[in-house]
This record gives sequence, C-alpha cells and structure tokens, in this order.
Amino acid sequence: DVKVTQSSRYLVKRTGEKVFLECVQDMDHENMFWYRQDPGLGLRLIYFSYDVKMKEKGDIPEGYSVSREKKERFSLILESASTNQTSMYLCASSRESWGFNEKLFFGSGTQLSVL
Amino acid sequence: AQKITQTQPGMFVQEKEAVTLDCTYDTSDPSYGLFWYKQPSSGEMIFLIYQGSYDQQNATEGRYSLNFQKARKSANLVISASQLGDSAMYFCAMREGTGANNLFFGTGTRLTVIP
Repeated sequence: DVKVTQSSRYLVKRTGEKVFLECVQDMDHENMFWYRQDPGLGLRLIYFSYDVKMKEKGDIPEGYSVSREKKERFSLILESASTNQTSMYLCASSRESWGFNEKLFFGSGTQLSVL
Repeated sequence: AQKITQTQPGMFVQEKEAVTLDCTYDTSDPSYGLFWYKQPSSGEMIFLIYQGSYDQQNATEGRYSLNFQKARKSANLVISASQLGDSAMYFCAMREGTGANNLFFGTGTRLTVIP
C-alpha cells in the first residue's frame, strides 16, 4: 500500500525556533508538496518539488523554505517560527505525468502550535 | 478569483439518505481535472473520485458520483445511502492543464451524518 509518512502528528514549538517538518514517501514519486490547512481557508500550497534539489514556490511561501536532497524525502523548514504559522501541515506526493488524473497521496498531517 | 468555491461550510444528512456537496470552479483552461477528497478526523486526505474536463460521462465510484456540469462549471459530489463513517470534511480540488502538478483546493464542507 502506498504511504506518505509525516514525522510528527503534533508539534509544539516556541516563537523564534527553527522547525523542521519531515515527510517521506515510499512510492518513488517525482512530485512532492507541502500544503497548509487552516479553517475556512482550505489547503494552500506552500512549496512543491518536481525532482531532487528542485523546488518551486506555491501560493504562500513566505516564512518557509524546503529541502529535497533525496527523492523520497521532502522537508519543510520554518526558519524562525511565528504564532501565525500555527496550523495543520500536509505533505503529499504524486507521479510526474502529463495526465490530469494523477491524484495526490497525502500524509496524516502535522498539527503545529507555535507559542 | 477563487479557483474552487465550496459554499457550504457544513451539511447534515440523515443516515441512509443521499446528500449533494456543491463545488464550482473557475478556469479558462480547456483541459483540467476535478477531484474530491475526504478528510476524517484522523487528518489524512483520502481520494474519492476524479472527473476530467473531456470526460463525456459523470464519474462514479461506489456510493460516490460526481455531477459534472461543464457549462455551469460545477462538479458536485453526490453521496448515496449515507453512513455514519461518511462524517468528515470534504474538499473539492482542481488541476489545470497548463499549470504545475499541484491541486487547487476549496475551503471544504463538513458533513455530519445523523443516526
């Protein structure tokens, strides 16, 4: 069965801390994504990567960076966490395809609280 | 402009009844794909159903069907014979043909099934 694993389900950090959210997929997918989910706003794309060491900004990249050193792992980094980054973070992956029906496979999410 | 609009923040349905969750989309791209995902309280996004812009027939997957009205740019999800386990958040999403491989999501509808 396909799997996207996020390292933590719940995380509590202090303002100003550097935070790493890790995501690993075992499906040999080329594409990986980080979304942020907030009530009433749905899911918003932070960054995505279509290959190792390649990244593209999504809709809300400010305050975040990413790293993809290996195909199976995609990390989201909050350089200096702030309270407005308290949110649910969802990682996803998909195959590279010209078709429109390539669905995203999601992890279970990390609920981050910044105090 | 929002690419995906879900106007129903919350819906209630009696067990064993059918329910329709609304979704409208906005794109000028003739090629696109539409997706519905379910998010139970566990947090993981579960793919339900897909409809391509060139598909002639409405998609169906078990108890899920997609009422695709291209001229109205709507892609409503119909759940037949609701079950208690259907209580969850439901998200409509779209991939555009000329865009990257990411999905644009709506704000979601919380469905509650009443025994």
